[in-house]
Amino acid sequence: AQSVTQPDARVTVSEGASLQLRCKYSYFGTPYLFWYVQYPRQGLQLLLKYYPGDPVVQGVNGFEAEFSKSNSSFHLRKASVHWSDWAVYFCAVTDYAQGLTFGLGTRVSVFP
Amino acid sequence: EAGVTQSPRYAVLQEGQAVSFWCDPISGHDTLYWYQQPRDQGPQLLVYFRDEAVIDNSQLPSDRFSAVRPKGTNSTLKIQSAKQGDTATYLCASSFAGTTGQLYFGEGSKLTVL
Repeated sequence: AQSVTQPDARVTVSEGASLQLRCKYSYFGTPYLFWYVQYPRQGLQLLLKYYPGDPVVQGVNGFEAEFSKSNSSFHLRKASVHWSDWAVYFCAVTDYAQGLTFGLGTRVSVFP
Repeated sequence: EAGVTQSPRYAVLQEGQAVSFWCDPISGHDTLYWYQQPRDQGPQLLVYFRDEAVIDNSQLPSDRFSAVRPKGTNSTLKIQSAKQGDTATYLCASSFAGTTGQLYFGEGSKLTVL
């Protein structure tokens, strides 16, 4: 069965600093991978998606993620965090036939 | 373009009571999902439909939960005889079948069972 592990429940970062959120997936074959974000009092929104191809994918608001088959990972990065990035970030995996399987999420707090 | 609409936004029940959640997906989206998100956890898939057909309901607690999408548009998720363990936010999402994993979520219906 497919699964996703986000090892960091909470991350605190200073505004302007870089951010990396870790995601490890378990999937037999080549997965489709996603990062979703949940801003306070808002619904989940797609941040970026990986379909088999270029391992580095760009998303909205300066986010990017890198797929590694050898490490079974799909880590999310941002070079310079803004206060508006305060949110919960979810990694997710699927194949074309199933619904998304989400990780537990990483809660990001941004301080000046 | 209107997004995914859910109602009610909040519900508070005593154990044993029933509740129904309603979802209006984005117009033209053929696939509709219901997820359960307990506090401080990730969403967990309950059921999903393509048009009016159930594709996967294997994670739906069938003894108390039911979901329908009779005309392939709006959907209702019903919980009968609610338990405290059902306390969670119920999320509806929709998508086109050809856009793997690209879901559009509503703001959710937050259920508290006392």
